[in-house]
Amino acid sequence: NFMLTQPHSVSESPGKTVTISCTGSSGSIASNYVQWYQQRPGSAPTAIIYQDNQRPSGVPDRFSGSIDSSSNSASLTISGLKTEDEADYYCQSYDSSNYCVFGGGTKLTVL
Amino acid sequence: QITLKESGPTLVKPTQTLTLTCTFSGFSLSRSGVGVGWIRQPPGKAPEWLALIYWDDDKRYSPSLKSRLTISKDTSKNQVVLTLTNMDPVDTGTYYCVHCIVGAVDWFDPWGQGTLVTVSS
Repeated sequence: NFMLTQPHSVSESPGKTVTISCTGSSGSIASNYVQWYQQRPGSAPTAIIYQDNQRPSGVPDRFSGSIDSSSNSASLTISGLKTEDEADYYCQSYDSSNYCVFGGGTKLTVL
Repeated sequence: QITLKESGPTLVKPTQTLTLTCTFSGFSLSRSGVGVGWIRQPPGKAPEWLALIYWDDDKRYSPSLKSRLTISKDTSKNQVVLTLTNMDPVDTGTYYCVHCIVGAVDWFDPWGQGTLVTVSS
């Protein structure tokens, strides 16, 4: 089964830049687009990146997405960290049969 | 503005069938390029995609749950219904209804507020 692996947690200081990785278990992660969702405590997830590196309307450009085929990974980079960015982040993509798969999530602490 | 809201029981007994209704506004499920899906999230865990129905009535189900799931739509009522049979305590979690944007990739935005379903005798 295709899996997406994320670090369990990351932490960084306000104003800094943090990168969260999402590694595909098999195949090429570049074969299917990757999305990223932010989930603040007690709230539903919201989309912050789709199609690898596209931002939905209203998402600040502090959020960016990229793909690294050499490591079979996608990355979410958040620059100029704010305390409001403290949340769980989930990557999402599709397996070879085009079924939706979510990563295990990364808890971002901004301290 | 697109909104979705889930409704249904908060507590179900093991072996029962769960029926959830998603009532949405701000878009039409008869419009090309649109879908509505269901995603659940066990407490403290990652989301898990369950099912998706498209504007043309095409349906997709999670392979691991396909035998237990049914998704349907009522375009005139702006509703999508999900049924999950033979409920088990491991099915406990928050169930989200999501608007699906169909394009080069299907992605989900926005999500409903979610409804917590507990499976217990």
